Amino acid sequence: RKEVEQDPGPFNVPEGATVAFNCTYSNSASQSFFWYRQDCRKEPKLLMSVYSSGNEDGRFTAQLNRASQYISLLIRDSKLSDSATYLCVVNFRGGSARQLTFGSGTQLTVLP
Amino acid sequence: EAGVAQSPRYKIIEKRQSVAFWCNPISGHATLYWYQQILGQGPKLLIQFQNNGVVDDSQLPKDRFSAERLKGVDSTLKIQPAKLEDSAVYLCASSSTLPAGGNLYEQYFGPGTRLTVT
Repeated sequence: RKEVEQDPGPFNVPEGATVAFNCTYSNSASQSFFWYRQDCRKEPKLLMSVYSSGNEDGRFTAQLNRASQYISLLIRDSKLSDSATYLCVVNFRGGSARQLTFGSGTQLTVLP
Repeated sequence: EAGVAQSPRYKIIEKRQSVAFWCNPISGHATLYWYQQILGQGPKLLIQFQNNGVVDDSQLPKDRFSAERLKGVDSTLKIQPAKLEDSAVYLCASSSTLPAGGNLYEQYFGPGTRLTVT
């Protein structure tokens, strides 16, 4: 079983749509959670951290359910520029400090 | 602020040949990481340095891969000899150990080196 699992997609949605990505992680001792964004043939970049209480950054909302070991990312009012691969990322407690484990990513294409 | 620099950006070699990649992290970042990203997968950590010491190299195939960060700044990753399955993008990332000024866990990635082994 992979440590961090994501639906690979692709998700093809029209502009203005709301889309949600899910991610599950296997290690219940996981400590910190993030979403990174990776544009085609580019490097990953931090999109947002995920906090236990849930957090929002503009059109993006992240949720964490520790009991179900589940993370989600919601994008409202999708823009063409949101087209990218979204990587679910986890820091496992007991692992090296600041070491991150990446999921395989979910590909999103926003269509005009 | 300058980002993470990597070179070369692209490399094509034949199997059994050797190759080396270079990384210069963001100035002042003590932690440096090398990742391998195979097409369609997320980055997989190969090795993590703290200054010039190795923190974790448990996923580095040590029979063919080696890495060093002798002066705690630049780093090189070497593959010798290369295999077809080494075809991937090799990403270098760095992060700060300072608690102030941002997310301790944020890693800043370089543009990567795209390696093709034929």
